Parts: sequence; C-alpha cells; structure tokens
Amino acid sequence: EPEVTQTPSHQVTQMGQEVILRCVPISNHLYFYWYRQILGQKVEFLVSFYNNEISEKSEIFDDQFSVERPDGSNFTLKIRSTKLEDSAMYFCASSAGGPYNEQFFGPGTRLTVL
Amino acid sequence: LAKTTQPISMDSYEGQEVNITCSHNNIATNDYITWYQQFPSQGPRFIIQGYKTKVTNEVASLFIPADRKSSTLSLPRVSLSDTAVYYCLVGGMEYGNKLVFGAGTILRVKS
Repeated sequence: EPEVTQTPSHQVTQMGQEVILRCVPISNHLYFYWYRQILGQKVEFLVSFYNNEISEKSEIFDDQFSVERPDGSNFTLKIRSTKLEDSAMYFCASSAGGPYNEQFFGPGTRLTVL
Repeated sequence: LAKTTQPISMDSYEGQEVNITCSHNNIATNDYITWYQQFPSQGPRFIIQGYKTKVTNEVASLFIPADRKSSTLSLPRVSLSDTAVYYCLVGGMEYGNKLVFGAGTILRVKS
C-alpha cells in the first residue's frame, strides 16, 4: 500500500539554526500539507499546497516557515531560524482530492530545538 | 468550521463494543463528519466519514441522527491495539481542505 514517508525521523538542532524537513507524498496525490503536534497537544494545521503554490496557511506559518516542492516527488518544510517553541512532531500529509478528501499522514519528524 | 465536543477519555476491555459520541451543534448543511485515529508517535489515520444515517466499513460504523447535531463512532469488539486517540472532525469535503483537529478522545483498551 502506498504511504507517505518523512525524513529524518528525529532532528535535533540548536536555536537559531535552519532545518529542512523532508516528505515524499503518495505519488499520484495532488494536495500536500504540513501539520505539527506539540507534545501532549492537538494536531495543528500549518500549510496546504496545491499546483505548486500555497493554498492556505495558518497563523503559525509565519515568515520563518517556507515550503517547496523541488521536484516531482519531494515536499519540504523549512524553518529558517528555529525557536525553542518550534519543538514538536511535524507531520506531512497528502491527498488525492477524491472521495472523502482523505488525507494520508506520514510517520512524522520529531524536531527538538535546544 | 463547526465546533466539536467529545469525551476526553474512555476505558474499555478487549472484546467489547465501544461507542464514542461527538457533539457538533453548529454543523453546516454541506459539512461531513470524519473520524481519524492516532496511535502514539504516529500520524493520524482516516477511519470513516459520513453525511447522514449510518456508514459502515471494515473498521467501524458511524451513526448520524437526522438532525446531524451529533455522531457516534462505533468500534466493534475492540482489542488492545485499538488503544489510541480518536478525533471527530466536521467540515466541508472540498478538495484540499485543511483538517481541524480537536483534543480527541483517548481510548484505553484493557485486557
């Protein structure tokens, strides 16, 4: 069964450093998303991406965040200057836009900012 | 987006049927009800979706009364591996819509 993959599984970085989280969505999907979940809290939407541009973003997704689909398979989330409060699990998801608008989530990247 | 209310947690035993109810009094005419499941340290996973009456798949059933102000996810004969957080989401089915998660219901299945 096709699945969303994410790398790395765990990233540790120093405050102020840039990080890039990588995702490979399911190959025939058209819609891509990033969510995050701070430990013990709910899953929060960050950004959605369609047709090579951002279709919606949340208040969390400020100028420090950017997304890119550099080729036909990868979807990346960049945080330019990490803060302690960026520590969270980051989930990539994709959907085909078909029935149920079902989103398929990856296993997540645990980001720890020291 | 309609606000949803679900129990914070529920306990059950293996082999029992579990029903988790979600309230969504302000559901809009074109909103669907969707349930996701999340295991610890994993991403959420789609379980089931419905608009009205009853929907059943190989994993669960979803019961939606005529007024659609609530819905009940039914898990038949749960096992230890069904221990997870279950989220009720209400929203439109437009392609590319974001998912808005609440706190969910922590289901603990005991042996």
